[in-house]
Amino acid sequence: NAGVTQTPKFQVLKTGQSMTLQCAQDMNHEYMSWYRQDPGMGLRLIHYSVGAGITDQGEVPNGYNVSRSTTEDFPLRLLSAAPSQTSVYFCASSAAGGLGGELFFGEGSRLTVL
Amino acid sequence: AQRVTQPEKLLSVFKGAPVELKCNYSYSGSPELFWYVQYSRQRLQLLLRHISRESIKGFTADLNKGETSFHLKKPFAQEEDSAMYYCALAYNQGGKLIFGQGTELSVKP
Repeated sequence: NAGVTQTPKFQVLKTGQSMTLQCAQDMNHEYMSWYRQDPGMGLRLIHYSVGAGITDQGEVPNGYNVSRSTTEDFPLRLLSAAPSQTSVYFCASSAAGGLGGELFFGEGSRLTVL
Repeated sequence: AQRVTQPEKLLSVFKGAPVELKCNYSYSGSPELFWYVQYSRQRLQLLLRHISRESIKGFTADLNKGETSFHLKKPFAQEEDSAMYYCALAYNQGGKLIFGQGTELSVKP
């Protein structure tokens, strides 16, 4: 049981480039989300999804795009990378029902934008 | 607005000493609070949640609605407790959590 799988683990981009961080889960969880982790700021929610075809913005959505075409996958797209997007990105999933189910996290993707 | 505050960036204690990681929250509704932990080179994982009222790895946390706090406590710290700890507040369905800034706990031998 792989849980939540993120790729790539490391990526270096130049300003203005675009890329997609992949996230897949095999637990049949309805809810998926993306967070960024920055020193001194904790984890901040970028986008989340409550099911296939449904997405919504979190605290810091600007510069990012998401889609949820299947239950399993929730890719995060950087449209035009900026140095301010240098961060560690975490994908997470949780089962449906109730308030605040346990989040299961991926290993993280470290992104550097030059 | 919802907010979670962890006032200490770094907490350093000696093995066997008591430890308390502070967490304060701001939320108008009925909160559901969690502590997540990230050990070195491991994934972020749930440590405990207030509705379970359980002790995990010797850690406990009590929700104090009057003081809007959810401090994490352990009477005798161990070296393997060294990690980054995040307090989190759930305020919507869908695993939507607000995290605090995190506290790095360092337990020295």
